[in-house]
Amino acid sequence: GENVEQHPSTLSVQEGDSAVIKCTYSDSASNYFPWYKQELGKRPQLIIDIRSNVGEKKDQRIAVTLNKTAKHFSLHITETQPEDSAVYFCAASKQGLTGGGNKLTFGTGTQLKVEL
Amino acid sequence: DGGITQSPKYLFRKEGQNVTLSCEQNLNHDAMYWYRQDPGQGLRLIYYSQIVNDFQKGDIAEGYSVSREKKESFPLTVTSAQKNPTAFYLCASHEGSNTGELFFGEGSRLTVL
Repeated sequence: GENVEQHPSTLSVQEGDSAVIKCTYSDSASNYFPWYKQELGKRPQLIIDIRSNVGEKKDQRIAVTLNKTAKHFSLHITETQPEDSAVYFCAASKQGLTGGGNKLTFGTGTQLKVEL
Repeated sequence: DGGITQSPKYLFRKEGQNVTLSCEQNLNHDAMYWYRQDPGQGLRLIYYSQIVNDFQKGDIAEGYSVSREKKESFPLTVTSAQKNPTAFYLCASHEGSNTGELFFGEGSRLTVL
């Protein structure tokens, strides 16, 4: 089955700096890569996603890049703010493929702390 | 408001007891999932169901059971066979198309005493 590795497990940045979280996946058939943000005591929520036919996607201060050949994808947050402090999870799935089931395999999470 | 409701939010159980966690959604989603969240281990898939009356094991199904008798409901039973049941359990749903987004409930925290 799919295996997703995520690094770093903790990340501390100064407000206004950039943060980068990296993930690798094992199954070359995976075609959908979302990122979820989980604030303390709350449910995970989708913040951005990318499909395998796209190399980069941006949404205001966040962006995701995908390298299919190397099987890794990254989350980039620019101009970080205190409200960006949370746990971020990457995930991978095989959407629309027989046996895929749209089930996500998650990374182990990154605790991001934005310091004032 | 549409969404996913999990109950109870907190649950305490004695060793050897079965316990059932409720998950209800009014999003009209076909697919539902149960994940377990432990510190440093991310979210691990327990069971999932793509349609009523059908479900499949995830990566860590041992010691758990589910049912999917109604589209809206996907209860999870943590049995006494689960060796380390203390965890945070998250239910999620997906409409079943290729749009991708998984919607999560607020979770249930189970503590075995």
